[in-house]
Amino acid sequence: GAVVSQHPSRVICKSGTSVKIECRSLDFQATTMFWYRQFPKKSLMLMATSNEGSKATYEQGVEKDKFLINHASLTLSTLTVTSAHPEDSSFYICSARQLAGDIETQYFGPGTRLLVL
Amino acid sequence: GQNIDQPTEMTATEGAIVQINCTYQTSGFNGLFWYQQHAGEAPTFLSYNVLDGLEEKGRFSSFLSRSKGYSYLLLKELQMKDSASYLCAPMDSNYQLIWGAGTKLIIKP
Repeated sequence: GAVVSQHPSRVICKSGTSVKIECRSLDFQATTMFWYRQFPKKSLMLMATSNEGSKATYEQGVEKDKFLINHASLTLSTLTVTSAHPEDSSFYICSARQLAGDIETQYFGPGTRLLVL
Repeated sequence: GQNIDQPTEMTATEGAIVQINCTYQTSGFNGLFWYQQHAGEAPTFLSYNVLDGLEEKGRFSSFLSRSKGYSYLLLKELQMKDSASYLCAPMDSNYQLIWGAGTKLIIKP
């Protein structure tokens, strides 16, 4: 399967600081990437859809000014958690959409565990 | 609305076979995915079904019935490393995956 990387894998930061998470598709180009967050033992929650060269589409209830998404190239999307607070602590996972013929598959990065103190 | 229904937890014995069922309701349908997620890790892709029938891939097989809104994942020759959560994720008309909480599979020796 396709490979998606995510960096950093873990980050601890102080409340009020900003954290940037990178998502890269390593062996394919992804015009669309997705950002999810997941709380322990809960399902994945889609935060936003990131489209290369255009603005991200945010899900209802997700603050776009707090979770800044930039998809500047076909292999890189970034999520910046601005002015992070303890309630933002979570597991953030990106995925990249790959089109192979008529089949569209999402491949996930390894995730970033964020802890805000 | 859109929803996924899977058992919360299942237990099986090493070497045995287990079937994880999934029923779904979505706005439109563009196929169904199964993902495996080990604790503390991101999901990994297992299978994709868009037509009715069985897709076999090694020890794992996935079945789809679109008219019934039903799929299952069949795992054969279970190994301890198969202990994980299994996520059934149909894709809706907007090509978005719909996620449930998944089925936690516990393998016992």
